[in-house]
Amino acid sequence: EPEVTQTPSHQVTQMGQEVILRCVPISNHLYFYWYRQILGQKVEFLVSFYNNEISEKSEIFDDQFSVERPDGSNFTLKIRSTKLEDSAMYFCASSEALLAANYEQYFGPGTRLTVT
Amino acid sequence: GQQVMQIPQYQHVQEGEDFTTYCNSSTTLSNIQWYKQRPGGHPVFLIQLVKSGEVKKQKRLTFQFGEAKKNSSLHITATQTTDVGTYFCAGSRFHFGNEKLTFGTGTRLTIIP
Repeated sequence: EPEVTQTPSHQVTQMGQEVILRCVPISNHLYFYWYRQILGQKVEFLVSFYNNEISEKSEIFDDQFSVERPDGSNFTLKIRSTKLEDSAMYFCASSEALLAANYEQYFGPGTRLTVT
Repeated sequence: GQQVMQIPQYQHVQEGEDFTTYCNSSTTLSNIQWYKQRPGGHPVFLIQLVKSGEVKKQKRLTFQFGEAKKNSSLHITATQTTDVGTYFCAGSRFHFGNEKLTFGTGTRLTIIP
């Protein structure tokens, strides 16, 4: 069964450093998302991406965040200058076509980001 | 902004007992999805409800979408240890295009064998 993959599984970085989290969505999917989950809390939407541009973003997704689909298969989330409060599990997700009847989102296993 | 709340936050049940989690949105939803997250895992899609008053069943799981499309529930009959995890509802306000999901606060289910 196709699945979303994410690398790395765990990233430790120092405050102020840049990190790039990588995702490979399911190959025939057109919509891509990033969510984050602070330990023990709910899943929070960050950004959605379609047709090589951001479709929607939350208030969490400020100027420190950016997304890119550099090569047609990878989907990346960059945090330019990490803060302690960026420590969380980051999930990538993807879903199918524009007019699909089922809007199921497939989540990757996540990248645990620890900012020290 | 849109808020989606779930109750209870935690539920401990004896194996074999039933379990229900309730989901309430501050705004009318286009559709609602339910996800299960095992401890240390990622959200896994369970089901989507679209129609007002819709009821869907998956084996021991029964999902309902309220008439006003602002609330939903998940009921598990005769819980098993494999049901352990956190159950999230996730609402969307739009039919088409990117489906920004607003996740509920989740209900963590633990089973006492």
